[in-house]
Formats: sequence, C-alpha cells, structure tokens
Amino acid sequence: NAGVTQTPKFQVLKTGQSMTLQCAQDMNHNSMYWYRQDPGMGLRLIYYSASEGTTDKGEVPNGYNVSRLNKREFSLRLESAAPSQTSVYFCASSEQRGLRADTQYFGPGTRLTVL
Amino acid sequence: SQQGEEDPQALSIQEGENATMNCSYKTSINNLQWYRQNSGRGLVHLILIRSNEREKHSGRLRVTLDTSKKSSSLLITASRAADTASYFCATVPSGSARQLTFGSGTQLTVLP
Repeated sequence: NAGVTQTPKFQVLKTGQSMTLQCAQDMNHNSMYWYRQDPGMGLRLIYYSASEGTTDKGEVPNGYNVSRLNKREFSLRLESAAPSQTSVYFCASSEQRGLRADTQYFGPGTRLTVL
Repeated sequence: SQQGEEDPQALSIQEGENATMNCSYKTSINNLQWYRQNSGRGLVHLILIRSNEREKHSGRLRVTLDTSKKSSSLLITASRAADTASYFCATVPSGSARQLTFGSGTQLTVLP
C-alpha cells in the first residue's frame, strides 16, 4: 500500500496563477482532509470530506476550493494564488467509522511558494 | 484558533535521557492524539487517548491525560537520535466533531 500520495512535491507560482493539488489514498478510507502548515505552527484545516460526495469548510477555507472526485481522490484548487498561500500543504485520510475524529494518515506534503 | 498548546516549544536532550512534552487545551474533548513529524515529512500518528482514559503506553511512549486540568503529557523513555522530530498534540472536541485541532508542536532534538 502506498498510503496517502500527493502531487506535486514542490511548486512555484506567480501571484494570480491557479493550480490544483492532487491527493489519493489506497486505504479505502471514508474521510479526507486538506491542511496547511506555516513555519513554527501546527496544521490548520482548510477543507475536509467526511464521505464521498460531501465537503465542508475547515478553519481557513478562503481562497481554496476542493473536489472529492471519488472515494480515493480529494483535490485542492487555488483559483488565484496569493503570497499568503505560501505554505506546506498536507492531505490526510481516516477510516472515520464513528461520528468523532479518529487516527489520520498523512501524505508527504506539497511545498508551495507563491511569488 | 489552536486548541492545543505544547510546552516546551523546543527541547534538547542527550541520547538515553527521557523527554517529556506537555499539551494544554481549552474545551472538553472526546480524545487527544499525539503525532510526530520528521523534518520535511508528513505527520505520523503515535497514540490516541480517550477522555475516559488516564494513561496509555505504546513501546517507549507513555501518554497521560488529566481532563480536570485539561492537559496531557507525552513521555519518551530512553530517547534515541532517531526520535529527533516535532511532536504535536491534536484534540477532538466533545460531541460529534470530525476534525482534529493541532497545537503548534514541540521540537525535540536528541543529541548522540
């Protein structure tokens, strides 16, 4: 099992450009998440998908959109990148059998720089 | 907003010593989880402790939870250089919350 994979690993954008970060998991998990991590800080939740076909906003959703393409894939789109979106982006998944959050499995991250 | 706050922010110890990290949180929780992050990598789950548990062990890890003080501690015994990483606590609020809220982490350096 590859677990959670993310592409690309690194990306540099100019202000105003758009891009999509891809995430896939092969653990048959129900829930998937997108986080951002800024220097010296913990992770902040951008969006999550509790199950296929549903998405919900997290703590910092502004400037982002997401798509839960199928059970395996959850993409994050920046429509018009801004320097404030320079960060490391992590995708995660969890089995989420109950109503409360359980163990999450993380991808290796995408390091994004917006000039 | 960050629910959990780790203390200390940075810790440097010699190999073989024990390392203790603390996490404080603000609201009542269903469970609390600890994760490790090696430099430039994703987070790896270490241990989950539920609100009705007081202590949990996993190998060289010992986690305690004091819900009356809204705090948790992670103890790594007999530390190794490979334990060098950032450690984060993450809380799940009481109720049907599906999200984790992460603290800002403790950077642990184990010197050989």
